[in-house]
Amino acid sequence: GAGVSQSPSNKVTEKGKDVELRCDPISGHTALYWYRQSLGQGLEFLIYFQGNSAPDKSGLPSDRFSAERTGGSVSTLTIQRTQQEDSAVYLCASSLVSWYGGETQYFGPGTRLLVL
Amino acid sequence: GQQVMQIPQYQHVQEGEDFTTYCNSSTTLSNIQWYKQRPGGHPVFLIQLVKSGEVKKQKRLTFQFGEAKKNSSLHITATQTTDVGTYFCAGQENSGGSNYKLTFGKGTLLTVNP
Repeated sequence: GAGVSQSPSNKVTEKGKDVELRCDPISGHTALYWYRQSLGQGLEFLIYFQGNSAPDKSGLPSDRFSAERTGGSVSTLTIQRTQQEDSAVYLCASSLVSWYGGETQYFGPGTRLLVL
Repeated sequence: GQQVMQIPQYQHVQEGEDFTTYCNSSTTLSNIQWYKQRPGGHPVFLIQLVKSGEVKKQKRLTFQFGEAKKNSSLHITATQTTDVGTYFCAGQENSGGSNYKLTFGKGTLLTVNP
């Protein structure tokens, strides 16, 4: 079946504008993650959705960042009043959750955001 | 909160040399996963280790999970240029609750000189 998809693949915006990044997880996957990766850096956890539980927002860097997951499927990450330091690749991943928890995360191709 | 530390941050080797990256968690893990990210690509799952002391092999790659389930290693024998990329470990805490969040290490960037 189809993998995780993200859109847009690239986004250039001006400082101060809002942006929305979309993630379509693999059908049936209950867990969805957003990460940020700056050039040459590791994965910075942003937010985690698991089924109907309250999302884990502990990684969001500021209140300009928010995310929602509608109907337990598609997720949107919104960055308000973008700043140049928000420039990065935003990666989405989804996974199943089994009784012991650990399942493979499948990553999307990412959205490359550039804030001018 | 849980922290996963990975060393080294960078490793440059000559083709044919061996390579090892190490991962340490601040808490006991229920399982650990390894991912590889090629330059310009996204992380791709390699393997998952669940049992204490587990060792798994994939061709030239050997993965180990420590007895205490707090550390892990990835060893590549006789590196090839196709091994270039960043290797991430990711640990899931044995919290016993319903939060199954994976915590990623910062990764080890491997470059191979042909």
